[in-house]
Amino acid sequence: GQQLNQSPQSMFIQEGEDVSMNCTSSSIFNTWLWYKQEPGEGPVLLIALYKAGELTSNGRLTAQFGITRKDSFLNISASIPSDVGIYFCAGQLIGNNDMRFGAGTRLTVKP
Amino acid sequence: DAGVIQSPRHEVTEMGQEVTLRCKPISGHDYLFWYRQTMMRGLELLIYFNNNVPIDDSGMPEDRFSAKMPNASFSTLKIQPSEPRDSAVYFCASSLRRSFGYTFGSGTRLTVV
Repeated sequence: GQQLNQSPQSMFIQEGEDVSMNCTSSSIFNTWLWYKQEPGEGPVLLIALYKAGELTSNGRLTAQFGITRKDSFLNISASIPSDVGIYFCAGQLIGNNDMRFGAGTRLTVKP
Repeated sequence: DAGVIQSPRHEVTEMGQEVTLRCKPISGHDYLFWYRQTMMRGLELLIYFNNNVPIDDSGMPEDRFSAKMPNASFSTLKIQPSEPRDSAVYFCASSLRRSFGYTFGSGTRLTVV
């Protein structure tokens, strides 16, 4: 019901390739956030989305808030080795403002 | 700004011992969150405070866990007595508003042997 389904669980790509990951749910969210976590550190906010349909970029990263308010995707263009880490989506439920986190996408970039 | 500061970074303790984790949120942030991260369960919200008042502690696993926020710049998460299944990384996060992105600390890696 209120779970976030994040996919893929892991990705192994070559440097220079583009990356796409997404989160879906059967629930409606009023905020979508994307975080990156590196080993030994806490998640760091990459992009925040507040409106359905919103498309936001942060350097090589682009994220969109789905029109239905039930999904979001994150794209990384021209990946580099320092993109390695775990990427989490997080959504804030409409109504009670509870924040839910996806299980994460583990990204490995081969030089 | 130094960000959210957690201490200690690592804690190894014996089963049955009391463990206290500490957090200093970003100055001016009204919300403080305690999360636990494990491979099996991912990031779980344990408790959050608004203006130093606990709002939702439904994620606290059991009575062995307690959290306090005596003032706007300090919070503790205590486990007493600790058990091996409490081993995890515990994160503190703060935010200006409930709907804004959270700033996480670097976490405390707890190992209970």
